[in-house]
Amino acid sequence: KNEVEQSPQNLTAQEGEFITINCSYSVGISALHWLQQHPGGGIVSLFMLSSGKKKHGRLIATINIQEKHSSLHITASHPRDSAVYICAVTRFGNEKLTFGTGTRLTIIP
Amino acid sequence: EPEVTQTPSHQVTQMGQEVILRCVPISNHLYFYWYRQILGQKVEFLVSFYNNEISEKSEIFDDQFSVERPDGSNFTLKIRSTKLEDSAMYFCASTRQGSQETQYFGPGTRLLVL
Repeated sequence: KNEVEQSPQNLTAQEGEFITINCSYSVGISALHWLQQHPGGGIVSLFMLSSGKKKHGRLIATINIQEKHSSLHITASHPRDSAVYICAVTRFGNEKLTFGTGTRLTIIP
Repeated sequence: EPEVTQTPSHQVTQMGQEVILRCVPISNHLYFYWYRQILGQKVEFLVSFYNNEISEKSEIFDDQFSVERPDGSNFTLKIRSTKLEDSAMYFCASTRQGSQETQYFGPGTRLLVL
């Protein structure tokens, strides 16, 4: 069983829609990371959080430590948001990232 | 803004050949990582490196793999005798202080073993 599970695997939406991507994990973590992988393959870190909620522009990330669950929301989605969004975790005393399988998001104009 | 760089961007090699993938982490970062992503699969951890030694390695990182920081800027991943299954995108990443920090990724090296 994967330590980090994401849903959905694929998501297609119309421009302007509110997007939610979910991540569940089964281990104790020190932090949860949301990353974006562009079609060319490059990976960019969006958020790192260990509690509560963070917001950057149209992106919002939340985490519930008790439920071992995190969500990434995108408001007013735009075609340029089309990418693979990846959830990853780090554990205490261990710096490596353990990745989920990613959610492929396609926003249609 | 400082960034992690990787060279080459693409490499094609014959099975059994040695390859060296190069990374230049962000200059004041102390923790370095290699990850790989086989086409269509999730990103996997290979190795972490701190204070001039390996701090952790995965079971993928067998005797065919080695890492080195030959000078103050470069961080290299060597695959001694490549196999077909080594074909993947290889990402270097770095952090300033280790855990609970944002990892900054390089653009990746796409390795194809024929």
